[in-house]
Amino acid sequence: GAVVSQHPSRVICKSGTSVKIECRSLDFQATTMFWYRQFPKKSLMLMATSNEGSKATYEQGVEKDKFLINHASLTLSTLTVTSAHPEDSSFYICSAGSNEKLFFGSGTQLSVL
Amino acid sequence: AQKITQTQPGMFVQEKEAVTLDCTYDTSDPSYGLFWYKQPSSGEMIFLIYQGSYDQQNATEGRYSLNFQKARKSANLVISASQLGDSAMYFCAMREWTDFNKFYFGSGTKLNVKP
Repeated sequence: GAVVSQHPSRVICKSGTSVKIECRSLDFQATTMFWYRQFPKKSLMLMATSNEGSKATYEQGVEKDKFLINHASLTLSTLTVTSAHPEDSSFYICSAGSNEKLFFGSGTQLSVL
Repeated sequence: AQKITQTQPGMFVQEKEAVTLDCTYDTSDPSYGLFWYKQPSSGEMIFLIYQGSYDQQNATEGRYSLNFQKARKSANLVISASQLGDSAMYFCAMREWTDFNKFYFGSGTKLNVKP
């Protein structure tokens, strides 16, 4: 069964609104979670590393004010896309590690109109 | 230089036959892990198999095996007895232990299993 749960699986929103995506580790505590973005038929691009109890670490070129990450507990990390624009439309997927393995959520397809 | 290279954008295989998906990697870290993930059209990433750099034997998980050739820096995925449900994107990935949070993904291989 899934060890990482991600919600919602699909969201459609108007330009200018904010969207929150949740990522939960189900069977283990995750001090670190990862957020990826995937364009159609492309590989995963790491956006940021979410650290429980501290600020997230963003990859170069990722706007931290636009993609707000909160990791308030050992089992939950959230990604908020603020003031979404059509170019933010993409597939977002989170992951969390257990020992050496990395498990992924089911992903969120964001469509900004 | 790319950390992970998958040179096969797409592949076809006949049902019940075996198929090998290529993956080469580049690292100077002596300690690393190699992974294969399957991504069906639904989008979820499914963990398939893991190989540690110090593992002496090739990893196997059911119909999946990893052909690990350390000197050649290759970690090919072998799927035996292909099934229609194996049709998906397959990603090779690497994690270096000196930068534990970095997970490098290849560009993926789209596998199509023909009945």
